[in-house]
Amino acid sequence: SQQGEEDPQALSIQEGENATMNCSYKTSINNLQWYRQNSGRGLVHLILIRSNEREKHSGRLRVTLDTSKKSSSLLITASRAADTASYFCATSSGGSNYKLTFGKGTLLTVNP
Amino acid sequence: DAGVTQSPTHLIKTRGQQVTLRCSPKSGHDTVSWYQQALGQGPQFIFQYYEEEERQRGNFPDRFSGHQFPNYSSELNVNALLLGDSALYLCASSYLAGFEQFFGPGTRLTVL
Repeated sequence: SQQGEEDPQALSIQEGENATMNCSYKTSINNLQWYRQNSGRGLVHLILIRSNEREKHSGRLRVTLDTSKKSSSLLITASRAADTASYFCATSSGGSNYKLTFGKGTLLTVNP
Repeated sequence: DAGVTQSPTHLIKTRGQQVTLRCSPKSGHDTVSWYQQALGQGPQFIFQYYEEEERQRGNFPDRFSGHQFPNYSSELNVNALLLGDSALYLCASSYLAGFEQFFGPGTRLTVL
């Protein structure tokens, strides 16, 4: 079963614009991660935020976490055509950091 | 430094057959996890191997089994294939079940 749900399911923007994707989850988590997947290939780890953190930055990426609302957002600033991909949030929870539970993803298209 | 590798890249089988997928973890990693990703969905956790033992299992039937070898590489076996087993199978490795999992490019399995 899916833990997270990304919103929107699909997003189309122009190069240079910012892209914001949201993720909601159902149970308490240990941490939340964002992954990128190009054209049905392997996933690339983007960023991890722990349950006691509220915001994290990495290059053009900014992730926020609101545990009271059980939600997270991923902001990609100054988007590029190469950012076109599917983006997934994944959570680990309970006594296990082994199992990642993924949402269905957001398909981001950046038009040149 | 080689990342996670998987073989084969693509595979076509018929219903009722058996299949074996292979994964070599990233150098220095000792833990391997397997995920199934159906078209348009997020990856679903199948199981994880550490020290040659299955440590945790997702909601998959016993037709799905695995193995980890002393060199940390791993195999995923699926018996009595069903049409619904058609998916991208992803292998991910980490060190001591660390938070960040590195994914391979996947094996695309088609069951006819």
